[in-house]
Amino acid sequence: DTEVTQTPKHLVMGMTNKKSLKCEQHMGHRAMYWYKQKAKKPPELMFVYSYEKLSINESVPSRFSPECPNSSLLNLHLHALQPEDSALYLCASSQGQSSYNSPLHFGNGTRLTVT
Amino acid sequence: GENVEQHPSTLSVQEGDSAVIKCTYSDSASNYFPWYKQELGKRPQLIIDIRSNVGEKKDQRIAVTLNKTAKHFSLHITETQPEDSAVYFCAAKGFNKFYFGSGTKLNVKP
Repeated sequence: DTEVTQTPKHLVMGMTNKKSLKCEQHMGHRAMYWYKQKAKKPPELMFVYSYEKLSINESVPSRFSPECPNSSLLNLHLHALQPEDSALYLCASSQGQSSYNSPLHFGNGTRLTVT
Repeated sequence: GENVEQHPSTLSVQEGDSAVIKCTYSDSASNYFPWYKQELGKRPQLIIDIRSNVGEKKDQRIAVTLNKTAKHFSLHITETQPEDSAVYFCAAKGFNKFYFGSGTKLNVKP
């Protein structure tokens, strides 16, 4: 069973569309992450939320807008994306951003295609 | 910031042989080192991890070693099986971020 749930599994969107990716965890974790992964590459950090506050933004373009409505939910709002934004978007959680030896738990990801 | 280097990028072994993947890191403040396995089209999954105050950890066929002085850590898989075929990522955690290696594609030939 996947403890971090992401929806949708697949998403195809045009460059003028607005869509949202959703992530949910019920492990009581206080840190949640968005990663972008291109084929044959490691996950690339986009955003980190710690205790529902944005902690890290890795200089991500404003067409990606994160939101953390509560400690269990994380959204990524997408607007005016480019074809090069096509990738696997992974949500992850951990006990705490600065917690010692707390691993990342990844969701199954959303496969995004921008046409 | 932290820099994690991983080698080799691809590794082919015969079923039953051992496989070793090596990573180095640059920031002596990094204190936690997880390893993830990612099968094609699936999410990265934690397979083993080690803290900076431990030199070696083993879980059945998988082991990880850490040399803090040299700033390197390694994944060892013994008696490899075809289902071990996947991409493996090492990572190092500093104060508040995980830094990933570039990945090793392991192919276990039956």
